Amino acid sequence: EVQLVQSGVEVKKPGESLKISCQASGYSFSNYWIGWVRQMPGKGLEWMGFIYPGDSDTKYSPSFQGQVTISADKSISTAYLQWSRLQASDTAIYYCARQYSSTFYQFDFWGQGSLVTVSS
Amino acid sequence: DIQMTQSPSSLSASVGDRVTITCRASQTINNYLNWYQQKPGKAPKLLIYGASILQSGVPSRFSGSGSGTDFTLTIASLEPEDFATYYCQQSYITLSLTFGGGTRVEIK
Repeated sequence: EVQLVQSGVEVKKPGESLKISCQASGYSFSNYWIGWVRQMPGKGLEWMGFIYPGDSDTKYSPSFQGQVTISADKSISTAYLQWSRLQASDTAIYYCARQYSSTFYQFDFWGQGSLVTVSS
Repeated sequence: DIQMTQSPSSLSASVGDRVTITCRASQTINNYLNWYQQKPGKAPKLLIYGASILQSGVPSRFSGSGSGTDFTLTIASLEPEDFATYYCQQSYITLSLTFGGGTRVEIK
């Protein structure tokens, strides 16, 4: 059974750093892209970027390029999303999701979401 | 970026109703269109990919159609568990995937 299990709730102050995780199981982690999607409070979905764990090839949405870093450790089947300096506007739920195909780029399995709250 | 516009932004319907949600792309995206369902407090769930291909395990009352710029998601007969928010997503520009703003389906 494919599962993506994300790290839990984070409460941080502006300017702090953060790295959240997404551990995959039930499939060959190295062979599928993993994407990250942001959902701000009461808002819709925004694609941030994705990574191919097999070779760590990473693509970012222009909106998030330079704002976050996506990485992966295939030895432990885990993808990461990190910030070096959080802002209040980073408050959101962050989802990781497996991208099934390189044709339609559909996200077929999703993590449960990681709630990040940034407040002074 | 390709802009995805969904309509309506919300609708009220009754169990058993036929529901249609529209998604329009700002430029042609062929059939590179996926649909998701999201319930409150839960992660999105893939319903349809490639505009019309039903994801494994999704009930057949869900269907998708369209090509080019105009797409629809249809729920043939609304069930109580279908009350949720629905999002379309284009994958024509793979380095700039974008979602529609969502359509909330509420109980009348």
